[in-house]
Order: sequence, then C-alpha cells, then structure tokens
Amino acid sequence: NAGVMQNPRHLVRRRGQEARLRCSPMKGHSHVYWYRQLPEEGLKFMVYLQKENIIDESGMPKERFSAEFPKEGPSILRIQQVVRGDSAAYFCASSGNRGRLQYEFFGPGTRLTVL
Amino acid sequence: GENVEQHPSTLSVQEGDSAVIKCTYSDSASNYFPWYKQELGKRPQLIIDIRSNVGEKKDQRIAVTLNKTAKHFSLHITETQPEDSAVYFCAASGNNAGNMLTFGGGTRLMVKP
Repeated sequence: NAGVMQNPRHLVRRRGQEARLRCSPMKGHSHVYWYRQLPEEGLKFMVYLQKENIIDESGMPKERFSAEFPKEGPSILRIQQVVRGDSAAYFCASSGNRGRLQYEFFGPGTRLTVL
Repeated sequence: GENVEQHPSTLSVQEGDSAVIKCTYSDSASNYFPWYKQELGKRPQLIIDIRSNVGEKKDQRIAVTLNKTAKHFSLHITETQPEDSAVYFCAASGNNAGNMLTFGGGTRLMVKP
C-alpha cells in the first residue's frame, strides 16, 4: 500500500515564477491537508480538501496561493508570483473516512527554494 | 482557534536517560493529541497518539500522558538512544470539521552517546 506521494521533492523557482506542488493521497483516502514548514519551525496548517471541495482554507494566504483536489488526479497547491518568503517545506497529509478522527499520514514533502 | 505551546525547544540528554517534552493547548474541545518525530530533511512520522478519553498510553520506551483539566500533555521517552535524536512535535485537533492539526513549535532532542 503506497503511502502519500508528493512531487516534486525539490523545486527551485525565481521570484515571480509559479510553483505547482502535487500530492497523491494514500489509496482509499479522500481527505487531503496541506501544511507549510518554515526553516526551524513547526508545521502550519494551510488548507483541507476533499475531492472537488475546499473544506477549510483558513490557513492559506489570501493572495497568490490556491489549492484544488479534482475528481481525478492529485491535489495541487499552486503558488503564483513566488517570493523569497515562500521558501519552505510543503507537506501534504491524507486521512481516511472511518470514524470521526483519523490518523494523518504525511508525504515526503516538497522543498521549495525561491531564488 | 487552537494554540499549542511546546517546551523545551531544545533538550540534551545522556544516552540511557529519560526525556520529557511538554505541551499545552488552549481549546478544551480538542480531543486528539498525536506526537510526531521528524529527522532532518524527512517527513514527520507519527510515533504515538492519545485521545481525550484516555489519561495515559504506552508503547515500549515511549509514553504519553494527558491532563484534560489542565490542558496539557507530555511525551516521555525512557532509556534514550542516539537514534532518538530528532525534532519532536506535539499537535492537537478535534474541534473542527476537518480535524486538521495544530502543531507545537517542536523540541530538538539530542541524545549524547
């Protein structure tokens, strides 16, 4: 049973470019969470999605950031016009559908570096 | 929203000693408290968790305690080994539709051989 997959693992962008980060949840999981981890800090919640729906985006910056989880394919976190402050590790987690509380399993992360 | 504080930020122990990391949370409705271990450049790995209907849980050398009244929970690692060296994060969730996690700031544990 493959775990949570993320790609790319490392992404380098120049200021002003766009960054697209992809996450494929564990098989059978329909809930996806994106977290951001700045250097030497803890993880901060960004957005929670189910298939074709954004459930909670309270942690997402209002501008330049967007996320989607289409019916088919991976979840995408998109950052437009990246700035140096966007440099961080972006982790995706998925959880299943049994019961109210789920274990969250994290992907390996995408390390974004903005030059 | 939920706020989770974690202490200490760094902890250095001698191999074989015990290590204790403490967290407090603010939202009394939170009911799930996982602990993650993160090695350098790696993903957070769930090592143990506790739900609010339980006061203590143990798994070999790792134990977690929860005091709901005081709103704090702790991670205890006994007989520490050098491979326990990592950053440990506590988290809390439960009072939201998506059960997203609010993390503490992390504790860098160094176990000296």
